[in-house]
Amino acid sequence: EAGVAQSPRYKIIEKRQSVAFWCNPISGHATLYWYQQILGQGPKLLIQFQNNGVVDDSQLPKDRFSAERLKGVDSTLKIQPAKLEDSAVYLCASSSQSPGTLQETQYFGPGTRLLVL
Amino acid sequence: SQKIEQNSEALNIQEGKTATLTCNYTNYSPAYLQWYRQDPGRGPVFLLLIRENEKEKRKERLKVTFDTTLKQSLFHITASQPADSATYLCALLRGDTGRRALTFGSGTRLQVQP
Repeated sequence: EAGVAQSPRYKIIEKRQSVAFWCNPISGHATLYWYQQILGQGPKLLIQFQNNGVVDDSQLPKDRFSAERLKGVDSTLKIQPAKLEDSAVYLCASSSQSPGTLQETQYFGPGTRLLVL
Repeated sequence: SQKIEQNSEALNIQEGKTATLTCNYTNYSPAYLQWYRQDPGRGPVFLLLIRENEKEKRKERLKVTFDTTLKQSLFHITASQPADSATYLCALLRGDTGRRALTFGSGTRLQVQP
């Protein structure tokens, strides 16, 4: 079974530029998550989708971050404009269960490492 | 405020010994707690889940305990090997009416010396 795919793996941009990350979850997984992991910290949830609907985006800085999952499969996360503090690894995860269910296991992709100069 | 604390200092142990990692939390009522392994440059990988009504869970050389009175989980790796060297993250799912999302600790790096 193929895992969660993410691209690009690395991205370097200057502040105020825009950037987009792409995620392809495990086939058949209805739930998709985007996390931000700053160096030395654990992953922090940004947004979670079930199919193409947003379940929780309370931690997403909506003035600069946006995410979509139009057909309930792939997802993109965009930052516009980027700030220095956005330098982090952006992880995508998927799950076959509904968010927050007692049996849920999340499968993570390798992440996209973003450096904002 | 809510906190999940893991020892930020790396844990160095000798091959063959038992590694014990700690996860403490405050102001949470977790429905369950999960442990993940993360290698450099990779995403976390799920290892074990333990529910609030379970005291202990085992999987091969791994053992997790969960004490909701102490608000603590311990993660043990017995007969540790250099290949066990990684960062280990604990994550909680709230059991109360808060956001139904996993919250991760910052992780503890384990280094097993041959």
